[in-house]
Amino acid sequence: GAVVSQHPSWVICKSGTSVKIECRSLDFQATTMFWYRQFPKQSLMLMATSNEGSKATYEQGVEKDKFLINHASLTLSTLTVTSAHPEDSSFYICSARARLAANSGANVLTFGAGSRLTVL
Amino acid sequence: GQNIDQPTEMTATEGAIVQINCTYQTSGFNGLFWYQQHAGEAPTFLSYNVLDGLEEKGRFSSFLSRSKGYSYLLLKELQMKDSASYLCAVRESGGGFKTIFGAGTRLFVKA
Repeated sequence: GAVVSQHPSWVICKSGTSVKIECRSLDFQATTMFWYRQFPKQSLMLMATSNEGSKATYEQGVEKDKFLINHASLTLSTLTVTSAHPEDSSFYICSARARLAANSGANVLTFGAGSRLTVL
Repeated sequence: GQNIDQPTEMTATEGAIVQINCTYQTSGFNGLFWYQQHAGEAPTFLSYNVLDGLEEKGRFSSFLSRSKGYSYLLLKELQMKDSASYLCAVRESGGGFKTIFGAGTRLFVKA
């Protein structure tokens, strides 16, 4: 099945530093990846849609200069949290759409394992 | 606007059946998904409905009524390991495959 690898799984950083999170599709090509953010006991909030070879599409209220997304290849998207602050501490999850089955036209989201960011 | 509603919490007994409801109002519709998420982990895909009716997959079934903007996830023969959050998600129409998630229903299975 489709596998999405996300790294690092957890990171602790000082306020003001930048953190990069990588999302890779291991056995399929992902022209589109999605970045979500999840606070404790809350659902996933879509931050942006990452498109290979073009600019990301950000959701309303998400600062594009704060959360830099780069989708340089068909298997890799990165999210960089710039000048991180404690309020940026959260669980960040990437996902890519993959075909449900070989003979199916349906696409489902396959998620990475998530990256837990703690900003001190 | 976009709105996906599902109960916040449910409790059920091991071996029983539980139904988790989801209602949605979204700008366009191109499929409804149910995901399972254990605490601290990423969501995993459970089921997909794009046409009205029931999709059965082992102990899990999912139902969709597009005219009513309604879906449910049915879990049979509950096991302790089914204790998790269950997320209802709707994919919007258009080519972007943008998927919006409900707040999730935390299911507690007790012995």
